[in-house]
Amino acid sequence: DGGITQSPKYLFRKEGQNVTLSCEQNLNHDAMYWYRQDPGQGLRLIYYSQIVNDFQKGDIAEGYSVSREKKESFPLTVTSAQKNPTAFYLCASSPLGTGTGELFFGEGSRLTVL
Amino acid sequence: AQRVTQPEKLLSVFKGAPVELKCNYSYSGSPELFWYVQYSRQRLQLLLRHISRESIKGFTADLNKGETSFHLKKPFAQEEDSAMYYCALSSNAGNMLTFGGGTRLMVKP
Repeated sequence: DGGITQSPKYLFRKEGQNVTLSCEQNLNHDAMYWYRQDPGQGLRLIYYSQIVNDFQKGDIAEGYSVSREKKESFPLTVTSAQKNPTAFYLCASSPLGTGTGELFFGEGSRLTVL
Repeated sequence: AQRVTQPEKLLSVFKGAPVELKCNYSYSGSPELFWYVQYSRQRLQLLLRHISRESIKGFTADLNKGETSFHLKKPFAQEEDSAMYYCALSSNAGNMLTFGGGTRLMVKP
């Protein structure tokens, strides 16, 4: 089954703890993205990567970190520095340079900070 | 800075009625506009893009540069159209998208 797989679907964290969300794709896409989805605010870009070992900050990168050691993997770490981490997180991928505007999304991970 | 605004958080219509989901944008250059849809328990997916000038599932959207709008329209809504709709803008030739806040469409029987 091709596509993007995010795990876990649900995650609970205590304040002060870091947590890592997994995102794996087997679409052979060069570009990968992390968005945060909050009610009424739509999707906001956290980080994106267009090539292995390179990534760029999005609009709301503070308190988050990423790595891109492999083409198919783009994990997101929500650190204790993120002031309001409870949210729904979406990972996406796309071919690079096509300009089609089509992102392929995962099913998302819901993080709740207790 | 680019921005996408969807003024309605919720739009409720009866089956068979026309529907228009509003989207306004601010961007100084030539944007590319898209509509994404998320049906219940499904992934967010691309519905249509303005550059294709296509009709998907009966939906159309026309880019109005003078009014900086990209409203999504359908003449006769169906119950299966009930979903969350997001307008998105790309400012370059790539796939970096800025999303609006989303509009939940409810089509009542």
